[in-house]
Amino acid sequence: DAEITQSPRHKITETGRQVTLACHQTWNHNNMFWYRQDLGHGLRLIHYSYGVQDTNKGEVSDGYSVSRSNTEDLPLTLESAASSQTSVYFCASSESGTGRDTQYFGPGTRLTVL
Amino acid sequence: RKEVEQDPGPFNVPEGATVAFNCTYSNSASQSFFWYRQDCRKEPKLLMSVYSSGNEDGRFTAQLNRASQYISLLIRDSKLSDSATYLCVVNWDDYKLSFGAGTTVTVRA
Repeated sequence: DAEITQSPRHKITETGRQVTLACHQTWNHNNMFWYRQDLGHGLRLIHYSYGVQDTNKGEVSDGYSVSRSNTEDLPLTLESAASSQTSVYFCASSESGTGRDTQYFGPGTRLTVL
Repeated sequence: RKEVEQDPGPFNVPEGATVAFNCTYSNSASQSFFWYRQDCRKEPKLLMSVYSSGNEDGRFTAQLNRASQYISLLIRDSKLSDSATYLCVVNWDDYKLSFGAGTTVTVRA
């Protein structure tokens, strides 16, 4: 069965360290997204990609970067982790070419920055 | 102003009851609307898409009012397993989605 996986599921790091969160999907979807979820907020879009070599900033992209070298993977990098980046991170993917895309989510990564 | 606003609840209802709640959205150009369900900070999962004419999926009924820019979800004959946070989701550009903060429903025995 097709799926979307994230690793690690939990991560504790220190302020200033570089952290990379992995996202891998086997749906063969062109579109991939990274969100963060914090209490009292809806999911907020960090970065997204509509295909290989395509990356775009979302509404809360400062301090984050992504790269898309193949269809299956969209790793999210925190260049220099800050305590404000403590959050739950979700990766999602969707098909392109339709107006009613359903996004399928990975299980999430809970990141704590000390 | 948030793009999608929801009453956070919680809505505490007994088994078998009907519960309904709305969300409002700000982007009048939005074309796609969804309800997602999220359990205990696990990943959101699609509950149902919302169509202009309204639609049902078993005990769940979704309505869309474009003129007033709100979406509703009604759950009939509530089950314990319906306890969750329900996310109102609206597309706002290409394939990007805007999520409400969620409405929490707790069904008690």
